[in-house]
Amino acid sequence: GAGVSQSPSNKVTEKGKDVELRCDPISGHTALYWYRQSLGQGLEFLIYFQGNSAPDKSGLPSDRFSAERTGGSVSTLTIQRTQQEDSAVYLCASSLEVQETQYFGPGTRLLVL
Amino acid sequence: RKEVEQDPGPFNVPEGATVAFNCTYSNSASQSFFWYRQDCRKEPKLLMSVYSSGNEDGRFTAQLNRASQYISLLIRDSKLSDSATYLCVVNIHPAIKAAGNKLTFGGGTRVLVKP
Repeated sequence: GAGVSQSPSNKVTEKGKDVELRCDPISGHTALYWYRQSLGQGLEFLIYFQGNSAPDKSGLPSDRFSAERTGGSVSTLTIQRTQQEDSAVYLCASSLEVQETQYFGPGTRLLVL
Repeated sequence: RKEVEQDPGPFNVPEGATVAFNCTYSNSASQSFFWYRQDCRKEPKLLMSVYSSGNEDGRFTAQLNRASQYISLLIRDSKLSDSATYLCVVNIHPAIKAAGNKLTFGGGTRVLVKP
């Protein structure tokens, strides 16, 4: 079946602009995660959604970052007033339930000029 | 100290040789452990879970040492296609359900298998 999809695959923006990144999880997966990976670095947890529970936002680096998950499916990560240090690959993952294997999307490569 | 630490490598491995590397974790409450593989400019993919008793999947063997707080991955008979970055992943299950299923990733160990 279809895996996790993300859009856009690449995004180039100017410093100070807002960007929206989209994630479509695997159908039926209740848990959805956002991570960030800077060049040559490991993955950094950003936010986690599980069913109808309040999201775990503990990894968001600043209040410029926010995310929502509508209808328990698609999620959007929004970065306001982008900065050059926001440049990274933003990865989305989903899992069937908590404690299950996470399946990653191909990521969105964000470049802030 | 980072929660999950790995030797970044690269480990240069002759084709057919055996390579092994470790990952240390700082939180003794950690309950679940995984190895993910990430190819260049690709997303991470689960390689194998790591069980307390250790587990083997073909040429790959994973071990967990709770006393010393590390996990290991061993690759036998290395193939050129094994060249990748191997990510150590730890999942903490707090006594009070709060962090959910937040995985903590190590920085990865890069393995280069050469002919």
